Amino acid sequence: GDSVTQMEGPVTLSEEAFLTINCTYTATGYPSLFWYVQYPGEGLQLLLKATKADDKGSNKGFEATYRKETTSFHLEKGSVQVSDSAVYFCALGADGLTFGKGTHLIIQP
Amino acid sequence: AAGVIQSPRHLIKEKRETATLKCYPIPRHDTVYWYQQGPGQDPQFLISFYEKMQSDKGSIPDRFSAQQFSDYHSELNMSSLELGDSALYFCASSLGGLAGWGTDTQYFGPGTRLTVL
Repeated sequence: GDSVTQMEGPVTLSEEAFLTINCTYTATGYPSLFWYVQYPGEGLQLLLKATKADDKGSNKGFEATYRKETTSFHLEKGSVQVSDSAVYFCALGADGLTFGKGTHLIIQP
Repeated sequence: AAGVIQSPRHLIKEKRETATLKCYPIPRHDTVYWYQQGPGQDPQFLISFYEKMQSDKGSIPDRFSAQQFSDYHSELNMSSLELGDSALYFCASSLGGLAGWGTDTQYFGPGTRLTVL
């Protein structure tokens, strides 16, 4: 079945540092890929998505590119802020989504 | 903009009791999904409905059932509750979500936190 593997956290960075959260997947077919963010006590918010190979999703300074050759969808941001502290989930799916285990990101001032 | 509404937001039940969670999708969205997120875990897909018909099924226990009504809202019914059912239950909605279409973004509600004592 489909699966998503993402780097375990917590990931602790200083403000303005460069962020990469790795995500790789296995899937049949060519599902859409997503990054969702979850702030403490809240629901999941869509951060960005890509629907086909080589698509780049971007939002709020975050980017991820759908790489079919490496089956990856790594999340990047050039300069993180304290307000980016949250749990980030990589997901794929055509109907019910399959999520990775989540990466807890902590940004220190 | 209107979002997905879930009720109740918090629910406390005893073992072996039943619970009903409700989900009101974003207006004009015709597809509803249910997920279960245990403490510190990733969300697990339970079941989805498109135009009132079940469209996909994940790891939903036999003790649980769900349906989508003519106004597109959905209810998740949980019987014989167990301690392990304590979790956050999320509902998500999308537009045109038949399995295989693959591109429809799911918008999540705030969740219902179920505690089974």
